[in-house]
Amino acid sequence: QVQLQESGPGLVKPSETLSLTCVVSGYSISSGFYWGWIRQPPGMGLEWIGTIYHSGRTYYNPSLTSRLSISVDTSKNQFSLKLSSVTAADTAVYFCARTDGAVRGRFDFWGQGTLVTVSS
Amino acid sequence: QSVLTQPPSVSGAPGQRVTISCTGSGSNIGTGYDVHWYQHLPGTAPKLLIHDTTNRPSWIPARFSGSKSGISASLAITGLQAEDEADYYCQSFDSGLKIRVFGTGTKVTVL
Repeated sequence: QVQLQESGPGLVKPSETLSLTCVVSGYSISSGFYWGWIRQPPGMGLEWIGTIYHSGRTYYNPSLTSRLSISVDTSKNQFSLKLSSVTAADTAVYFCARTDGAVRGRFDFWGQGTLVTVSS
Repeated sequence: QSVLTQPPSVSGAPGQRVTISCTGSGSNIGTGYDVHWYQHLPGTAPKLLIHDTTNRPSWIPARFSGSKSGISASLAITGLQAEDEADYYCQSFDSGLKIRVFGTGTKVTVL
């Protein structure tokens, strides 16, 4: 069974960089599929953030491109998210998930999510 | 960027059938892009229920089914059970935004 687990600071100050890591178990990232990040602000719906392939090729939501960086470490079977210059609007539960498409397709396995609050 | 609209809530008694609609437009569901459905209990990992509009992963009970007509898709839950009480989200691709988009979410309550 594929399992994903997000980790990172739960509190980030405004204007700083939000950094999260997703560790994958039960499947090798190098074997295929794409790996993505999704977030859910409190009381709101889901928003796709971006996706990465094991080669390192990335696909970002245009609304976040200028602040976003997603990377992969196949040796540790994990991928990471960095979102810079955060504001309160970036407060959300952040999920990582496996998907069969770069910008389309389903997310078939998800992590349970981690709450990141942006506050001074 | 919730371009897919769902009813905020639906409810039903145990054993009943409920449906959740997901209404989009000509740039997403209406164009023929596949729709996927997820079940989410807050604090847990969302679960894929239906993929490619009508297909169920092998581990999902047959009580869950998906369909599509025009610019809308639907998720049906038959034989409603207490464990089905959760939030449900649809997802598709929007050719105008060029990204995958999610629905606004529907809370299912089992009476």
